[in-house]
Amino acid sequence: GESVGLHLPTLSVQEGDNSIINCAYSNSASDYFIWYKQESGKGPQFIIDIRSNMDKRQGQRVTVLLNKTVKHLSLQIAATQPGDSAVYFCAENWGNTPLVFGKGTRLSVIA
Amino acid sequence: SQTIHQWPATLVQPVGSPLSLECTVEGTSNPNLYWYRQAAGRGLQLLFYSVGIGQISSEVPQNLSASRPQDRQFILSSKKLLLSDSGFYLCATAGRTGTSGYEQYFGPGTRLTVT
Repeated sequence: GESVGLHLPTLSVQEGDNSIINCAYSNSASDYFIWYKQESGKGPQFIIDIRSNMDKRQGQRVTVLLNKTVKHLSLQIAATQPGDSAVYFCAENWGNTPLVFGKGTRLSVIA
Repeated sequence: SQTIHQWPATLVQPVGSPLSLECTVEGTSNPNLYWYRQAAGRGLQLLFYSVGIGQISSEVPQNLSASRPQDRQFILSSKKLLLSDSGFYLCATAGRTGTSGYEQYFGPGTRLTVT
């Protein structure tokens, strides 16, 4: 898992452009990954998930890519909108263990 | 679908005072329950999780404790708050998705400020 004691990195993107948010995970045994979106003052909300037997999964305007070789996960948001501004967390787990969350990335959309 | 209730929504407490945050869950039975803390501008830190009544696992040693008196009730407590206990406290459950995945549902959170 990632450290939870560091300040969040920020990604600034122009409205309409595509956003790519990256996450590195540490446990090679992790077999399930989730991306969460957290708006200010609210709890995290599920966006999309992917199992380790896949390397790509698409949702509505979002795509998650998994590279197990380098233990890297990314979230791509197409045509970024102001409503996409939030903090994005990746999370991993294996078996029935609790999810381990990454440090998060703050996405700021410039109108 | 599952619904998670947390209260209070906000709380301001002096250093050294006790704490009790409550979380209740609807729409599921025998859920795994979790308490997370999020300091301002930072990531999520797992504090406790519970797989059943009376079963609590602590992830981080500190002056907080958790209890699960009922199947769908999870309580976070402290006898004496520290300044460093300030943060956003999130209760969560876990469940399986229709695609054989695993999703964690979060409550609305309690913002605690220790003064």
